[in-house]
Amino acid sequence: AQTVTQSQPEMSVQEAETVTLSCTYDTSENNYYLFWYKQPPSRQMILVIRQEAYKQQNATENRFSVNFQKAAKSFSLKISDSQLGDTAMYFCAFFLVGTYKYIFGTGTRLKVLA
Amino acid sequence: EAGVAQSPRYKIIEKRQSVAFWCNPISGHATLYWYQQILGQGPKLLIQFQNNGVVDDSQLPKDRFSAERLKGVDSTLKIQPAKLEDSAVYLCASSLERKYFGPGTRLTVT
Repeated sequence: AQTVTQSQPEMSVQEAETVTLSCTYDTSENNYYLFWYKQPPSRQMILVIRQEAYKQQNATENRFSVNFQKAAKSFSLKISDSQLGDTAMYFCAFFLVGTYKYIFGTGTRLKVLA
Repeated sequence: EAGVAQSPRYKIIEKRQSVAFWCNPISGHATLYWYQQILGQGPKLLIQFQNNGVVDDSQLPKDRFSAERLKGVDSTLKIQPAKLEDSAVYLCASSLERKYFGPGTRLTVT
């Protein structure tokens, strides 16, 4: 069975600074995707970034980038130049291709401080 | 592009009452999901539809929860009768290649 672990329940960062959220997962499969989702206080989940397991290059979306370490089963999210609007819950998710199954971590609450 | 619509946004009911939630996915999205998100936790998949067929309902408490997706478009999730522990946000999502979430329905059972 696949599992997703986010070991940091809460984090805070000063505005304009960089923060890294950690995520580890466990699977014996090779064909999967990994995602980071953001859930602001309004509670609408928004996809932040996606990484296909077969790609060696780390995904990047503007200020958001990942450090994907497949052998270590680690998938951390780096937010550069943090903004107040980045304050939210961040969920790491694992998707096993062909099964339609998404597995979410327990989330990290990020607070960006002015 | 219009997003995933859900209604109502908020619902308060007493235990043992019934409640129904509605979801309208993004047009053309064949896959529809219902998640339950208890405060402080990540979303838990309740049921997943591919068109109007059920792909996965292994975590749906079938003694009280039911869901349908008529004509492979809109979906309803029903709880009958509700328990206190059903208090949560119920998220609907739909996907083609990427998944889009609706705003959720916050259910409070008193």
